[in-house]
Amino acid sequence: KAGVTQTPRYLIKTRGQQVTLSCSPISGHRSVSWYQQTPGQGLQFLFEYFSETQRNKGNFPGRFSGRQFSNSRSEMNVSTLELGDSALYLCASSPGEAADEQYFGPGTRLTVT
Amino acid sequence: AQSVSQHNHHVILSEAASLELGCNYSYGGTVNLFWYVQYPGQHLQLLLKYFSGDPLVKGIKGFEAEFIKSKFSFNLRKPSVQWSDTAEYFCAVNARGGYQKVTFGTGTKLQVIP
Repeated sequence: KAGVTQTPRYLIKTRGQQVTLSCSPISGHRSVSWYQQTPGQGLQFLFEYFSETQRNKGNFPGRFSGRQFSNSRSEMNVSTLELGDSALYLCASSPGEAADEQYFGPGTRLTVT
Repeated sequence: AQSVSQHNHHVILSEAASLELGCNYSYGGTVNLFWYVQYPGQHLQLLLKYFSGDPLVKGIKGFEAEFIKSKFSFNLRKPSVQWSDTAEYFCAVNARGGYQKVTFGTGTKLQVIP
């Protein structure tokens, strides 16, 4: 089976712009979670989707949003980018209904200048 | 809400030394516990997990972890580390029941010196 794929792998944006990141889960996985990884902060939970429904949301401002499509692919969007949004954004999918055991993608490295 | 603490941010060991990485969580109910590893340039991958049963859990590459409920701990151990164990290790927890998010610790960077 193919693993979790994320596109693009690298992205450079300027402050004020918006960005959309994409994640394709492992085939058959319906739960998708997104995390922001920064040095020293570990993984900060953004949101989790299951069957096109957002089940959980982290403590991020409304500029961060996401969605899941009927084929379980997911996108996250960040509007009005700030320098502090520079991070590695990770997507993970889970085989069961609960987002417990997770399989991670390679991440999208976002740099905001 | 659950939280996870990893007190060691950076650990340096010589090959063949024993390893123990601390992980403590805060949550009043029943939890699932995980250790993930991120080797340089690679994806995060699951090292081991505890859902229920025997509190001593064995994972890949000779790693094990022990769940001590009374101490809210899930420390990771390996009797003899190798240079290839150089990586960042993350402890994670989620509350059992319902569809709860997974909370990760801030990670411990392990550097093994040949």
